[in-house]
Parts: sequence; structure tokens; C-alpha cells
Amino acid sequence: EAGVTQFPSHSVIEKGQTVTLRCDPISGHDNLYWYRRVMGKEIKFLLHFVKESKQDESGMPNNRFLAERTGGTYSTLKVQPAELEDSGVYFCASSQEGWGTEAFFGQGTRLTVV
Amino acid sequence: LAKTTQPISMDSYEGQEVNITCSHNNIATNDYITWYQQFPSQGPRFIIQGYKTKVTNEVASLFIPADRKSSTLSLPRVSLSDTAVYYCLVGDTRGTGRRALTFGSGTRLQVQP
Repeated sequence: EAGVTQFPSHSVIEKGQTVTLRCDPISGHDNLYWYRRVMGKEIKFLLHFVKESKQDESGMPNNRFLAERTGGTYSTLKVQPAELEDSGVYFCASSQEGWGTEAFFGQGTRLTVV
Repeated sequence: LAKTTQPISMDSYEGQEVNITCSHNNIATNDYITWYQQFPSQGPRFIIQGYKTKVTNEVASLFIPADRKSSTLSLPRVSLSDTAVYYCLVGDTRGTGRRALTFGSGTRLQVQP
């Protein structure tokens, strides 16, 4: 069974540009989570989808971040315009029924804004 | 959400048993305790979850005292490949809300040969 897949694995963009990160959850998992770790800080929750609906987006830092999950399958996280402080590793996780026993994480996307 | 406190780092040697304790004094009745492991350049990976007493799987054991204000992850006979960051997460993962868990700072375990 394929795990959670994130694209790209690395991205380097200039300040002010737009970047879109993609997450493909495990097939059949209704719950999808985005997290990120900025340099030297803890892994922080961004938002939680249940199917295509945003269950909790309390962790989204500001309106430069837009997450979508059309059709309840893969999700995208767009940063527009990117700022230097957005650099970090963005993780996606999925689970079947809420977090339950465990959520499965992807390898992450390392975003560097220069 | 319950706040967790773990040691920042621990050192061990191959073949030893490692116990990492996590404090969660304000754990709620419906909260479960979940431990994740993270290697460099990888996403966190589930190790074990428990509610009370003791849980054991093929990888680790989790000890939770009666008051549930702390928990201890026990890794038997560690090897070099167990060098990683270990996170203790506490939250209501089974309830109707089924909220996402919050990561703390984790414990960086370094296993020496």
C-alpha cells in the first residue's frame, strides 16, 4: 500500500513568488493534516481536512496560505506571496477515522525562500 | 490541549534499554497518549499509543501510571538505528472531535556504539 506522498521534496523560491505544495494521502483516508516546522522550532499544526471540508484551520499563520482539497482526495497548500519566514519543512499526514490510533506522515517538502 | 514536557536529549549505548518519560499534568479524561519517532529528513512515524496501564508492541512498551499525569516510553535493547527524535503527544484522538495532535519539542535520543 502506498504511503502519504508529498511533492516536491524540495523547493527553492524567491521572496514574493508563489509555491504550491501537494499531498497525496493514503487511499481511503478521509482525514488529511498539514503541519510545518520552521527552522529551530517545533512541528506546528496548520490545518485538518475531513474529506473536502476544513475541519480545523486554526493553525494557518495568515492569509498568504491557502489549502484546498477538491474532491476529498489530494490536497494542495499554496503560499502566495512567499516570505523568508515561510522557509521550513511542510508535512502532510492522513488517517482513516480522525487521528484514531495513528496518522501516517509523508516525507515532507523542504521549502526554502531566498 | 494537554501540554507535554520531555527531556531535550538522552544518550545511550547499543543494547541498553532506554526509557523516555513525558509529563502531561493537565491530561484530560478523553485524552490518549501517543508516541512518534522521527529520523532526519523524514516525517514522524507512529510508535505506540495508550490510555492507561501498559501497552506493548513489537517496537516498544508504554507505561502509564494510574494518575496518567506522565508516561514512559521504553525501548528495549536499542541499536544505532534508534537514534532519532521521539515525541510524546497527548490529545482526544478517539472522541467526536478527533482533533489533530500537537507536537512538542521532543527528545533527541543518541545511541552510541
